[in-house]
Amino acid sequence: GNSVTQMEGPVTLSEEAFLTINCTYTATGYPSLFWYVQYPGEGLQLLLKATKADDKGSNKGFEATYRKETTSFHLEKGSVQVSDSAVYFCALSDSNTGNQFYFGTGTSLTVIP
Amino acid sequence: DTEVTQTPKHLVMGMTNKKSLKCEQHMGHRAMYWYKQKAKKPPELMFVYSYEKLSINESVPSRFSPECPNSSLLNLHLHALQPEDSALYLCASSQGVRGTEAFFGQGTRLTVV
Repeated sequence: GNSVTQMEGPVTLSEEAFLTINCTYTATGYPSLFWYVQYPGEGLQLLLKATKADDKGSNKGFEATYRKETTSFHLEKGSVQVSDSAVYFCALSDSNTGNQFYFGTGTSLTVIP
Repeated sequence: DTEVTQTPKHLVMGMTNKKSLKCEQHMGHRAMYWYKQKAKKPPELMFVYSYEKLSINESVPSRFSPECPNSSLLNLHLHALQPEDSALYLCASSQGVRGTEAFFGQGTRLTVV
């Protein structure tokens, strides 16, 4: 079946530190992979996505590369800001219909000045 | 327009009340979703509609009743809820084809008293 495993949080970093949030997946076929971000009291917003092996998704300084050999999609940012404090969810959609989304447990990030 | 609009934003209801949550999108998406999210947890899929037909019901109790009146609207009718049903209810939509992301609304914060 399809599932996503995400590193446990919470994560606390100083401003300008390097961020990595690990995400691995189990899926049949060739899923699409996503990172979503959720700010307090809000819905989920798409941060970036990748739809095939070796694709790199990027947005707002965040990057993640679809690694089929390691079934991973780790999120990275070179220099975090206080405004990046949020909960980050790794997700995949199934390769057949694209209709179903499977979410990791979420990683809470707090960036301190 | 890339928005999914949910109303109301907040709702407090008694255990004997009947209320409805509403969701609207004008992106021409063919798939619409209801998710339930408890604090510090990932979204939990409740229902999926595809082409206005219910395609997935994740064994949700019958006190939650979804309805899709047309391709742009999705409702969730609530009746005889329990305090443990208090949560953030998220609506989402997607094109429902491989590689496309889900767009989320801001959610309805439901409190059952």
